[in-house]
Amino acid sequence: SAVISQKPSRDICQRGTSLTIQCQVDSQVTMMFWYRQQPGQSLTLIATANQGSEATYESGFVIDKFPISRPNLTFSTLTVSNMSPEDSSIYLCSVYTGDNEKLFFGSGTQLSVL
Amino acid sequence: GQSLEQPSEVTAVEGAIVQINCTYQTSGFYGLSWYQQHDGGAPTFLSYNALDGLEETGRFSSFLSRSDSYGYLLLQELQMKDSASYFCAVASYNQGGKLIFGQGTELSVKP
Repeated sequence: SAVISQKPSRDICQRGTSLTIQCQVDSQVTMMFWYRQQPGQSLTLIATANQGSEATYESGFVIDKFPISRPNLTFSTLTVSNMSPEDSSIYLCSVYTGDNEKLFFGSGTQLSVL
Repeated sequence: GQSLEQPSEVTAVEGAIVQINCTYQTSGFYGLSWYQQHDGGAPTFLSYNALDGLEETGRFSSFLSRSDSYGYLLLQELQMKDSASYFCAVASYNQGGKLIFGQGTELSVKP
């Protein structure tokens, strides 16, 4: 299993500002995944964060809007840049540990943009 | 591309059995997972099937038929605390280990 500490748990931000979400894992992991979940919706993968290389973004998500850092095997950040109300969502980091069958999630960051 | 279909909502009574189906389309399929998410909480892993057949974990079981691109989650002896959203998710070799989630099924358990 994995213990993932994600913060902040929630924030209310003004349009045009940026928010950085942090994710700390209690063990070394190769890949970390960032998902977005809009109210009542499914989880949409934003990007995969790999240590030592650029993040891999999914269709519809770009680095300028969602820059990701992965300085080591236990930590990653996702920044939501130049926010608009459409960015209001829950953002979740997740990792595989041990077997690649189980994905563990952080507790999520609920973002509201006014 | 990949796609998954599951019912948007299911209602059942305490003590009953409910089955949540999931059909998928993907190339390079290697596994189907199920996750539970309570309101305000993060998704938690329930089960994983890579091979055809039934996997049982306590009150929950999951089934996979690779030839039919179909799976289901079976919940027995339903309890009120089972009210949650349930997501099926596929992993494929083409996606490098990423999980793609279905739209989720909201299960309401009534007394």
